[in-house]
Amino acid sequence: AQSVTQLGSHVSVSEGALVLLRCNYSSSVPPYLFWYVQYPNQGLQLLLKYTTGATLVKGINGFEAEFKKSETSFHLTKPSAHMSDAAEYFCAVSPGQTGNQFYFGTGTSLTVIP
Amino acid sequence: NAGVTQTPKFQVLKTGQSMTLQCAQDMNHNSMYWYRQDPGMGLRLIYYSASEGTTDKGEVPNGYNVSRLNKREFSLRLESAAPSQTSVYFCASSRLGRTEAFFGQGTRLTVV
Repeated sequence: AQSVTQLGSHVSVSEGALVLLRCNYSSSVPPYLFWYVQYPNQGLQLLLKYTTGATLVKGINGFEAEFKKSETSFHLTKPSAHMSDAAEYFCAVSPGQTGNQFYFGTGTSLTVIP
Repeated sequence: NAGVTQTPKFQVLKTGQSMTLQCAQDMNHNSMYWYRQDPGMGLRLIYYSASEGTTDKGEVPNGYNVSRLNKREFSLRLESAAPSQTSVYFCASSRLGRTEAFFGQGTRLTVV
C-alpha cells in the first residue's frame, strides 16, 4: 500500500527564513514523488518531481527537494521565504503501476510573516 | 493552451438532486482522474480512468459514477446529492507511465 505523511498541517516562517516542509512516504515499489502547490481558489500546480537519477531535484520558484530512500522522505526546502510562497503544499507519490494513481498527503499550509 | 478544463466552477444543489461535473483535457493524455478535496484530508481519489474505455474505483467512490466519454472527456455524476458530498472537486490527467498529473481549476460544490 502507498501512503504519504506530511508532518505539520500549518507552518509559519518569517520572510527571508528557510522553508522546510516535511514529507514521508511508504511504497511497495520505488516511487515517483511530487510536490504540488495550491494558491487560494486555484488548482494544483507542479513544483517539482523525482523520477529517477539525481536525488536532489530543483523546481520552480527556488524550491528543491531531496529523495532519501533510507529515510523514505522527500522534504521540500527553500533557502529564503518570500511572501508569495504563502500557499498550501501537497506531497504526492505514484507507485508507477500502469495507469498511475497518485496518493496525496493531507497538505501543509505555509504562512510567511513579514 | 487550455490544459484541463472543468465545468461548472461553482454549483449549489439541494439534497437529492443530481448533476454531472464535466472535465476535458487537450493534452492527449491517456489517464484521467477525479479527486475531492476536503479540509484537513488532502485530495482523495474518487475514480480514475487509466485509458479510454476503462474506469476504476478509487478511495471514495460511493455516491458517484463516472463516464469516460472519449479520450478527452471524463465526467463525474452525482445521482442523488448528499450534504456529505459538499467539497471541491478536481479533475486531473496524465500520460501513461510515471509522470505528473495536471489539474483543472476545480468545482466548488455545496449540497444543502
